[in-house]
This record gives sequence, structure tokens and C-alpha cells, in this order.
Amino acid sequence: AQSVTQLDSHVSVSEGTPVLLRCNYSSSYSPSLFWYVQHPNKGLQLLLKYTSAATLVKGINGFEAEFKKSETSFHLTKPSAHMSDAAEYFCVVSEPGGSYIPTFGRGTSLIVHP
Amino acid sequence: DAGVIQSPRHEVTEMGQEVTLRCKPISGHNSLFWYRQTMMRGLELLIYFNNNVPIDDSGMPEDRFSAKMPNASFSTLKIQPSEPRDSAVYFCASSAEGGGAYEQYFGPGTRLTVT
Repeated sequence: AQSVTQLDSHVSVSEGTPVLLRCNYSSSYSPSLFWYVQHPNKGLQLLLKYTSAATLVKGINGFEAEFKKSETSFHLTKPSAHMSDAAEYFCVVSEPGGSYIPTFGRGTSLIVHP
Repeated sequence: DAGVIQSPRHEVTEMGQEVTLRCKPISGHNSLFWYRQTMMRGLELLIYFNNNVPIDDSGMPEDRFSAKMPNASFSTLKIQPSEPRDSAVYFCASSAEGGGAYEQYFGPGTRLTVT
């Protein structure tokens, strides 16, 4: 069975400082992992995905995530936060050996202060 | 491509009324998902279709909810009768292959308010 835990419900940073959003997963297989972003009153948009290629994945808007199998983590980072990054972020795990039904984390709200 | 299209964008209805939400997936995608999002429960997967066939409907709350996908370009989610606790944002998403193995493309959502 698969599961995903986003360790922080809210993260607050100042503009220009680094961003770290933490995600741990559990999977019996080699999973696919995703980060999605949701801006207020919008649908979700893919930021980046890991599908067993390079462990460091680069996404849109300067975000990246590193797959660490030993730590079962897939944390999202960005070197310098921008006001427009303020949004809800979702970590998602999906494993083979079934219907590839994705499991979403509860979400992390990123707050960016000027 | 226009992306995933949902209609209506907003729906306000009275308790007991029937509500129908509509979704047009991206052309060529063969997987379709319906989600519900609330502050209390977060994002919940309601039902997943692959090649127009329901694969997993374990997230459908109760018999008042039903979903259909008569062809590859259209799906509906129906609530009958509606209740105030059904108030939420309902998202439709599609993906190219194999369900969650590939990225999902989300529609803008339908905000449902049941009074």
C-alpha cells in the first residue's frame, strides 16, 4: 500500500529566502512521485515529477526535488522565494502493481512575506 | 489544446435538488479522475475511469453520487438528492495513460454550494 505525508501544514518564508517543503512517502514498489501547486481558486498544476530516472528533478518556476530512497523522502526546494510562489503544494505518490491510483498528501500552504 | 474543461464553474442549489457536473478531458487522454476538495477533508479522489470504464469508485461517498463516462470526451458527476455537506469544489482531471503513473491535468473546478 502507498501513503504520503507532508510534514508541515504551513510554511512561512520571506521573499528571497530558500523554500523547503517536506514530503515522506511509503510504497511497496518503485513509485512515481509528483508535486503539484494550487493557487487560490485555481485547479492543480504539475510542478515536477519523478519516474525512476534522475533522482534530482527540476520543475517549473525554479523548483526542484530530490528523490531519496533511503529516507523515503521527496522534498521540494527553491533557492529564492517569490511572492507569486504563495500557494498550496501537494505531494503525490503513485505505485505500479495495480491501477496506479494516486495518493495525495494533505497539502502545505506556503506563505511568502515581503 | 484548451485543457480540461469543466462546467458549470459555480453552482448554487437548494438541498434536495439534483446537481450535474460536467467534464471534458484533454483529447487523447484515456484516464479521468473526479476529486472533491474541502477545507475539512482536503482533496479526495471520488472515482477513476480508464478507457471510459470505472476502475475505482471506492471514494464515492454514498449512493447519492453517481458518475458516468459515455465516451472518451465527456464525463458527468451527478448528486441526487444534494445535501449541504456536499458543498465543495469538484475537480476533474485527465491523464494520458495508466492512471496515476502519468501527470494529471486538472480542470478549473466547479464550486458547488448547497443551501
